[in-house]
Amino acid sequence: NAGVTQTPKFQVLKTGQSMTLQCAQDMNHEYMSWYRQDPGMGLRLIHYSVGAGITDQGEVPNGYNVSRSTTEDFPLRLLSAAPSQTSVYFCASSYGGGPTYNSPLHFGNGTRLTVT
Amino acid sequence: SQKIEQNSEALNIQEGKTATLTCNYTNYSPAYLQWYRQDPGRGPVFLLLIRENEKEKRKERLKVTFDTTLKQSLFHITASQPADSATYLCALNDYKLSFGAGTTVTVRA
Repeated sequence: NAGVTQTPKFQVLKTGQSMTLQCAQDMNHEYMSWYRQDPGMGLRLIHYSVGAGITDQGEVPNGYNVSRSTTEDFPLRLLSAAPSQTSVYFCASSYGGGPTYNSPLHFGNGTRLTVT
Repeated sequence: SQKIEQNSEALNIQEGKTATLTCNYTNYSPAYLQWYRQDPGRGPVFLLLIRENEKEKRKERLKVTFDTTLKQSLFHITASQPADSATYLCALNDYKLSFGAGTTVTVRA
């Protein structure tokens, strides 16, 4: 099993550009989520999904969109990149309903995004 | 939502000693608490989960305690090794998993 795969590993965008961060998992996990990690602030939840066709906002959703058309894939779209979105982005998945159901998260290795 | 505080950003210890990391939270006690390890340039990796009705959990050289009265979890690495050098994150469940900022442990040979 590859686990959780994120692409690209690195990306540089100019302000105003849009892009999609890809996330795929091969563990048949129902729950998937996106976090951003900034120095000194820990991981903050952007969006999450408890199954195909179902998505919801986390604590920092502004400027990001998600969709979940399949169990395996959960892409994150930046609509119009801003310097404040410079961060490391992690995708994570878990069995069943997710963390509230006592399931640990499996993380990808992240996408390091710089917006200039 | 929960505010989670992990003790000092960095902890430097000598090989063979015990590292003790602290995770404090402010609001209601969660049903369980998790600890993760993160190496530079990598995603966090799950280590241990402890439930609110468990006082202590062990896995090899790792030990976690959970005190709902103090609203605190302690994470111990006994007989530490340079390979234990990493950032350790605690996480509490809510409708999501809320993470602390992490404590970076460096074990000197």
